[in-house]
Amino acid sequence: QKEVEQDPGPLSVPEGAIVSLNCTYSNSAFQYFMWYRQYSRKGPELLMYTYSSGNKEDGRFTAQLNRASQYISLLIRDSKLSDSATYLCVVGGGYQKVTFGTGTKLQVIP
Amino acid sequence: EPEVTQTPSHQVTQMGQEVILRCVPISNHLYFYWYRQILGQKVEFLVSFYNNEISEKSEIFDDQFSVERPDGSNFTLKIRSTKLEDSAMYFCASSGEGYEQYFGPGTRLTVT
Repeated sequence: QKEVEQDPGPLSVPEGAIVSLNCTYSNSAFQYFMWYRQYSRKGPELLMYTYSSGNKEDGRFTAQLNRASQYISLLIRDSKLSDSATYLCVVGGGYQKVTFGTGTKLQVIP
Repeated sequence: EPEVTQTPSHQVTQMGQEVILRCVPISNHLYFYWYRQILGQKVEFLVSFYNNEISEKSEIFDDQFSVERPDGSNFTLKIRSTKLEDSAMYFCASSGEGYEQYFGPGTRLTVT
């Protein structure tokens, strides 16, 4: 079983739609959880991070962590063309390595 | 806003040559990392560095790889004798008081 699993997509949505990206992890010892956005051939850009179960909101983005189910999601509201990218679910256990999922490719179409 | 920078953006080298990839982490960060991403694959951890020593490394980080913080601002990754399979994007990251890591734009290494 992979440590971090994401549906690779691509996921195509119209502009203005609400998008939910999902991720599951296998190791309950992970302590913190992040979503990164990566444009083609660019570095991962930190969108959101959370350490505790529940929702965390930042503008159009909401990250939800459910530790009991070992499940993380990223909700994007009012999606824009510039949201077209690969979204990476990343988990970590401290000041050490983080583990990346394979990413979900999102395409926002006009 | 502070950011991680990396140079060069693209490096082409011949198999067997040594390369040094350079990174300037965010200035008040204390934890530094290197990752790589082979084209079409996921980002993979190479090494973490704290207090002038390696704190964790992956199986990928063998004797051909080394890291150094030569001064107060730079953090380097050296590959002694490059192989074709070392061709990838290499990302430097740093973290401060929180666990979240901030990534640089990457160096694309092409080994011919």
